[in-house]
Amino acid sequence: DAKTTQPNSMESNEEEPVHLPCNHSTISGTDYIHWYRQLPSQGPEYVIHGLTSNVNNRMASLAIAEDRKSSTLILHRATLRDAAVYYCILRDPRDNFNKFYFGSGTKLNVKP
Amino acid sequence: NAGVTQTPKFRVLKTGQSMTLLCAQDMNHEYMYWYRQDPGMGLRLIHYSVGEGTTAKGEVPDGYNVSRLKKQNFLLGLESAAPSQTSVYFCASFLGAGELFFGEGSRLTVL
Repeated sequence: DAKTTQPNSMESNEEEPVHLPCNHSTISGTDYIHWYRQLPSQGPEYVIHGLTSNVNNRMASLAIAEDRKSSTLILHRATLRDAAVYYCILRDPRDNFNKFYFGSGTKLNVKP
Repeated sequence: NAGVTQTPKFRVLKTGQSMTLLCAQDMNHEYMYWYRQDPGMGLRLIHYSVGEGTTAKGEVPDGYNVSRLKKQNFLLGLESAAPSQTSVYFCASFLGAGELFFGEGSRLTVL
């Protein structure tokens, strides 16, 4: 039900940009793309979400492919605190139950 | 403003015992969820609620029951705990738009 595919793990150097990919080839026209991250021993926290256009906030940027079959979460300057598991999730607002299904995510390791 | 609060944070049970996890939110959210997370795994949806007095099954509902008698509270019950239910349990709430808010988690060990 997660309907997204992410690499199991990625590695980055501190202060360098990180591009975390997500494939969602079966996305529907009304699915929102959400990203959450889970720091060690904590509950997941919201990062960003979007529908069609690229989105920016204080934490990250979300680049959505023109056909919407993939997206990329961009951390502009990775810090050690960004080491976490990042989850890409689709949410259909037509689904009145608003279920959020988390897959296995991408574990990001940041090297000093 | 506490957000989402889970109690207890830690609990050890013996096989066959029962217990209830409480999730409380102070954001007036309609939607609430219970997830479990096993070591090295992602979150799996157990049960959810779309409003006071309603509950529904998620991906892994067997062995759990839930109740939403008050809008701000979502209870997760284990009637007869099994070792396979050893996990970290997360509660979340959602307004219907925007972001999910999670609690800090409840670590349950069943011996």
